Amino acid sequence: EVQLLESGGGMVQPGGSLRLSCTASGFTFSGYAMSWVRQAPGKGLEWVSAFGTTDGSTFYADSVKGRFTISRDNSRNTLYLQMNSLRAEDAAVYYCARKILVIPRIVYDYWGQGTLVTVSS
Amino acid sequence: DIQMTQSPSSVSASVGDRVTITCRASQDISSWLAWYQQKPGKAPKLLIYAASSLQSGVPSRFSGSGSGTDFTLTISILQPEDFATYYCQQAHIFPLTFGGGTKVEI
Repeated sequence: EVQLLESGGGMVQPGGSLRLSCTASGFTFSGYAMSWVRQAPGKGLEWVSAFGTTDGSTFYADSVKGRFTISRDNSRNTLYLQMNSLRAEDAAVYYCARKILVIPRIVYDYWGQGTLVTVSS
Repeated sequence: DIQMTQSPSSVSASVGDRVTITCRASQDISSWLAWYQQKPGKAPKLLIYAASSLQSGVPSRFSGSGSGTDFTLTISILQPEDFATYYCQQAHIFPLTFGGGTKVEI
């Protein structure tokens, strides 16, 4: 059974840092591109970042570029999101999501349960 | 960035109704569109990918159509478990973008 389990969320002050983790099981993690998608309370979905598999390419939303860093450790089946210089508008539930294999575009077939990040002084 | 516009933002419906949700892209995205269902407090669930391909395990009452800039999600016979919020997502180019959501409510 495919499982994605996020952790690392919590409350942080503006300007602070947080590192999210997503531990995968039930599939060959190294063979899949992975992403982070967030959802502010009561709002819609916002794509944050993606990490490919073949050349290690990474992609970011403009709203987090230069502040967030996505990485992965295939030996630990874990995806990370290092978040620096956090702002109030970064407060959201952060989901880890797996890219579907059957098409050459990023669509997500499995999602974690999410981890809540609160940014407040 | 490609803007994704969903309509309506909410729809009131009854069990057994046919429901249609529209998603419009600000530029041509070919068939690179996905639809997700999200229930309160839960992660999104993939329903449709590549505009019209049904994800494994998703009931056949869900269907998708369209290409280019205009897309549709149809629920043929609404079931109680279908009351949720639905999102479209373009997968054509980065940054990936989602529609604002359509809430299907009683």
